[in-house]
Amino acid sequence: EPEVTQTPSHQVTQMGQEVILRCVPISNHLYFYWYRQILGQKVEFLVSFYNNEISEKSEIFDDQFSVERPDGSNFTLKIRSTKLEDSAMYFCATRLAGVADTQYFGPGTRLTVL
Amino acid sequence: GESVGLHLPTLSVQEGDNSIINCAYSNSASDYFIWYKQESGKGPQFIIDIRSNMDKRQGQRVTVLLNKTVKHLSLQIAATQPGDSAVYFCAESTSGTYKYIFGTGTRLKVLA
Repeated sequence: EPEVTQTPSHQVTQMGQEVILRCVPISNHLYFYWYRQILGQKVEFLVSFYNNEISEKSEIFDDQFSVERPDGSNFTLKIRSTKLEDSAMYFCATRLAGVADTQYFGPGTRLTVL
Repeated sequence: GESVGLHLPTLSVQEGDNSIINCAYSNSASDYFIWYKQESGKGPQFIIDIRSNMDKRQGQRVTVLLNKTVKHLSLQIAATQPGDSAVYFCAESTSGTYKYIFGTGTRLKVLA
């Protein structure tokens, strides 16, 4: 069964450093998302991406964040200058098409900012 | 100051019993609802979904009920098994938007 994959599984970085989180969507899925989950809290929407453009973003997704599909397969989330409060699990999700088709989530990347 | 995570409501059930997990959603315009299961250290796993033109949908051992009048969603798990132990989240979405809004979650503990 096709799965969303994410790398790395765990990233430790120093405050102020840039990180790039990577996701490989399910092939032929067209919509891509990033969510985050701070430890013990609920999953929060960050951004959605379709046709090489951001479709929607939350107030969390400020100028420190960016997304890209650099090579037609990977989907990346970049945090330019990490802060302590960026420590969280980051989940990539993808869906096939249509307004309300199911989003399938990857296993997540645990980001720890020291 | 100290950062404290949300205290998840917990449902404890005996193995073999039925479980009912409830969720109140916030947006009356939401027209698509999903239940996810999240095991420790893993991503949310899709269980079942329902659109707003339905009030009940059944899957294998799971049933989702939707009450739009009171904006309430429930997940019923029949014959609960130890492997069902996890945190369960509901999520809502609205046509024309691209995001899911997740609920707080309920921890299900299955007692042997």
